Amino acid sequence: DAKTTQPNSMESNEEEPVHLPCNHSTISGTDYIHWYRQLPSQGPEYVIHGLTSNVNNRMASLAIAEDRKSSTLILHRATLRDAAVYYCIPPIGRGGGADGLTFGKGTHLIIQP
Amino acid sequence: GAGVSQSPRYKVAKRGQDVALRCDPISGHVSLFWYQQALGQGPEFLTYFQNEAQLDKSGLPSDRFFAERPEGSVSTLKIQRTQQEDSAVYLCASSLYTGDHTYNSPLHFGNGTRLTVT
Repeated sequence: DAKTTQPNSMESNEEEPVHLPCNHSTISGTDYIHWYRQLPSQGPEYVIHGLTSNVNNRMASLAIAEDRKSSTLILHRATLRDAAVYYCIPPIGRGGGADGLTFGKGTHLIIQP
Repeated sequence: GAGVSQSPRYKVAKRGQDVALRCDPISGHVSLFWYQQALGQGPEFLTYFQNEAQLDKSGLPSDRFFAERPEGSVSTLKIQRTQQEDSAVYLCASSLYTGDHTYNSPLHFGNGTRLTVT
């Protein structure tokens, strides 16, 4: 199973870019890299996912290393509402064919006004 | 549009009581997942349905936990003879499609049911 490593917490200032790193050195060649975030008292929320090339959407950008052993979630201009726990997740197929995501502890992002 | 809905939002049970937690997934979503989240931890996988079929229940912590999705839409997670260690937030998620490349389908989570066993 692929494992991920993320910093426990990071701090940034409002309206500045934030780069959240993730190492996934054991990821397989066909595993997509998913990022979710969880705001206080809410369920996790999908942010972005990608396989090999960099990806952009309205929420964030995902930069994937050429060897796919690491990726970086980029919030271009953080706001106070971006304060959350961010999870980097390679999906893990399970015995029954399910592709439930396995969450670690994630990175607690703190945004200073 | 409506997202994943879970009820009740909060549940307090006395140790030994049975509880039932409900999940209404997004209409048309084939896959449904249940997760358990202890305080300060990430969500832990419990079980997975593809339509009405429970394809994976490897994460259920004991035989006191039972999940069903009889008509392939609404799902219920039942916990019998609740114990204090069952206190957690129970999250339900659904996704549109499952197959060889389901990891291309984002999961949509509800806001969970916070269960407190006293």
